[in-house]
Parts: sequence; C-alpha cells; structure tokens
Amino acid sequence: QVQLQESGPGLVTPSDTLSLTCTVSGDSKSNYYWNWLRQPPGKGLEWIGYLSYSGSRSNNPSLDSRVTISEDTSKNQFFLRLTSVTAADAAIYFCARGEFFDAGTPNFYSYGLDVWGQGTTVTVSS
Amino acid sequence: DIQMTQSPSSLSASVGDRVTLTCRPSQSISSLLNWYQHKPGKAPRLLIYAASTLQSGVPSRFSGSGSGTEFTLTISSLHPEDFATYSCQQSYISPFTFGPGTKVDVK
Repeated sequence: QVQLQESGPGLVTPSDTLSLTCTVSGDSKSNYYWNWLRQPPGKGLEWIGYLSYSGSRSNNPSLDSRVTISEDTSKNQFFLRLTSVTAADAAIYFCARGEFFDAGTPNFYSYGLDVWGQGTTVTVSS
Repeated sequence: DIQMTQSPSSLSASVGDRVTLTCRPSQSISSLLNWYQHKPGKAPRLLIYAASTLQSGVPSRFSGSGSGTEFTLTISSLHPEDFATYSCQQSYISPFTFGPGTKVDVK
C-alpha cells in the first residue's frame, strides 16, 4: 500500500526559503504525478504543482516564480522549495500522488489525487 | 483560474440521513470534477473522479453526478465515519482548483 509522508521545518522565517520532503513508500514512482498542495488556515486547498514520472513539471502560475519541485529517485523522495516566504505562505502542506483517470470519453481524463500524506503545518514567523 | 464554489458551507445531519452537497465551477468543466473527503490530521481521500466514478474502495453510499457547471455529491445514508469536510476539484484547466469545502457535522 502506497504511503506518503511529509517532513520539514514547522517554522520558517519571513523572506527565507521553505523546504519540504515527501517520502514515498510502498510504490515505485513510475507512471504517476507527484504533487504539492497547501491549505491556508480557514481556506480551501491550493494546488502548488507537480513533477511527473517522466520529469515534466507544471506549477501553479501564482507561485511559479518561487516554486521548485524536484526529486531523489534513489530515496523515493520528492521535494518542495518555496522561496521568499511571507505570512501568506503559512499553511498545511500536503504531498499527493496524481494520475489521469479515464473520464469515459476517448482521450478525456480527469486529473485526480488518489494518495495523500497527512500534511505538515508550516508557520511563518520571525 | 476556474473558481469553485460549494454549498452549503456547512450542514448538520444525523446518522442515516441522505445528504447532498453541491459544487459549481465558474465555467463549464465538462465532467472533469473530483470529490474528496477531509478529516483533521488525516490524509485526504479521493472519493469520486470524473464527476461520477467511485474510486476503488469507496463505499457505494457515495455517489456523484453532474456536468458542466453543476455537480452534486450524495451520501445516501450517513455513517458515523462520514462526518467530515468534502471538497471538489476541477481538472479541466490547469491550475487545478478546489472548492472551499462543505463541512458535514453532527446534528
């Protein structure tokens, strides 16, 4: 059974870089998309971006200039790096596995997140 | 970006009740809509993808319907473990966006 676990510092200083790790167990990283999302207090989820099994990347344009998603395949881990953090970046951060599910019409797929970590809370404060 | 709204924002229900939640995207998204269940401190759970297809392992009391700009998630008979927050997510256009959620709590 695939499991994902986020790890990283719970407290980040404003203007610093946030670095988080997602460790994947129970599955190889092939044929899936590896995502980061976040949920600020009292708000809905925000998709940050993904790194695919083939190495392609896609980020939310609202964060693209500050986000890097990378991986260490030897350790079955992928990473989030978010630069120049502010109070607005305080959130619960989740990693999740994504895939394109058959939507029942030829060549039509719904991108969903079928395995998630439990999330890690990040506070931004000096 | 496609904005997702959900209604109601919260509802109170009892075990055994039939519950219907609504999700409306700001533009048509065909059937590219997924539903998730969230509980504090736990990993979110994919319930339904492509508007109406039950994810493997999800109980059949959950069902989804809709297309275009209106979608519903129905729980036919609420179980104790179903008290949670439910969110919808569109995958029609990147960036993938989520609704704010509907919290289902105990009446």
